Amino acid sequence: NAGVTQTPKFQVLKTGQSMTLQCAQDMNHEYMSWYRQDPGMGLRLIHYSVGAGITDQGEVPNGYNVSRSTTEDFPLRLLSAAPSQTSVYFCASSPDRPLTPGANVLTFGAGSRLTVL
Amino acid sequence: EDKVVQSPLSLVVHEGDTVTLNCSYEVTNFRSLLWYKQEKKAPTFLFMLTSSGIEKKSGRLSSILDKKELSSILNITATQTGDSAIYLCAADGGATNKLIFGTGTLLAVQP
Repeated sequence: NAGVTQTPKFQVLKTGQSMTLQCAQDMNHEYMSWYRQDPGMGLRLIHYSVGAGITDQGEVPNGYNVSRSTTEDFPLRLLSAAPSQTSVYFCASSPDRPLTPGANVLTFGAGSRLTVL
Repeated sequence: EDKVVQSPLSLVVHEGDTVTLNCSYEVTNFRSLLWYKQEKKAPTFLFMLTSSGIEKKSGRLSSILDKKELSSILNITATQTGDSAIYLCAADGGATNKLIFGTGTLLAVQP
């Protein structure tokens, strides 16, 4: 029972480099999202998806791209990394079936710590 | 703008103490409030509260929602060192952008 799997766990980038954080879930969840966590800022929503082929921006989307070609996968792309993107990134998913108890309870991945030099 | 505010930001207690963590919210179309515990890695789910005045309990942890005051508290009795963590509160505004998180309360329980 893997749940939400994120890779890599750690990554160091130089300014201007690009990379993709991978996220996969095996719970057949419709809703998937990416958050970043910074000291004193809590968890902030970057992008989210309510199903395959559908994505939308969250609170802090600039500098990030997402796509959702399958229900299982929701990768986050950093197009040109900046030091301000140094953070811990969490992928999270939920069933998102309206009116279903617990539909909005997010299950989180273990996190990816990214450092941009 | 929707927001969730938690207090205190951090707290240091000794084993056996009882603590109360606070969460207040201003969220359009409020549906529910959730509490998570975050140790070293991913936040793990503790409680979801939808109705005012009904306490949810799990072992030494309990939580209650006050919709009139737009707030919730999380109580931990007889604290143990294993309770040391960041406790996150999140409000579900019913929109597709899901949960709005507070900054968390860092709890340190000393032996």
